[in-house]
Amino acid sequence: AQSVTQPDIHITVSEGASLELRCNYSYGATPYLFWYVQSPGQGLQLLLKYFSGDTLVQGIKGFEAEFKRSQSSFNLRKPSVHWSDAAEYFCAVASSGGGADGLTFGKGTHLIIQP
Amino acid sequence: DAGVIQSPRHEVTEMGQEVTLRCKPISGHDYLFWYRQTMMRGLELLIYFNNNVPIDDSGMPEDRFSAKMPNASFSTLKIQPSEPRDSAVYFCASSFRATSQAYEQYFGPGTRLTVT
Repeated sequence: AQSVTQPDIHITVSEGASLELRCNYSYGATPYLFWYVQSPGQGLQLLLKYFSGDTLVQGIKGFEAEFKRSQSSFNLRKPSVHWSDAAEYFCAVASSGGGADGLTFGKGTHLIIQP
Repeated sequence: DAGVIQSPRHEVTEMGQEVTLRCKPISGHDYLFWYRQTMMRGLELLIYFNNNVPIDDSGMPEDRFSAKMPNASFSTLKIQPSEPRDSAVYFCASSFRATSQAYEQYFGPGTRLTVT
């Protein structure tokens, strides 16, 4: 069964600094990978996804992520964070066996932005 | 599009009562998912439907939980009887099976359930 690990429960970053959130997955075949963001009291919003092709994917709000098969990682990055980026970030994996199976989520990383 | 709609947004009930959560997926989407989010277990898939048919309910915690999708625009998740450990945020999500878009799930705002 697939699994996702987000090793950092909390991360604190100063506004304007760069950000990297870590995600490691476990899956036997080529995974479909996602990053979602959840603001307090809100649902999850899709930031970006990786299915195949270019291993560096661009998303909304200035985020990008890089798929590294050799490291089983899909880390999320942003060159300069804004106070509005404070939220919970979830990495997720879906099976690529056909059909839209449910997603398996990591436990999330809580991002705190310092002024 | 209005997005995925869930109701109620908040529900407080007493142990033993029946609870019904409702979801309206995005029009045209043919997959619907129910997830539960708790501090201890994170986000868990409970059940999902394709074209109104339940495909995988292995995540449903026990027989007290049931889900239905009588038509393409409506689904319910019912808990009977409810217990305090059912307190969580329940999310509904939908997606459309068209090439790679099948895996892009759109989430509703969630229903925060508190069972006292």
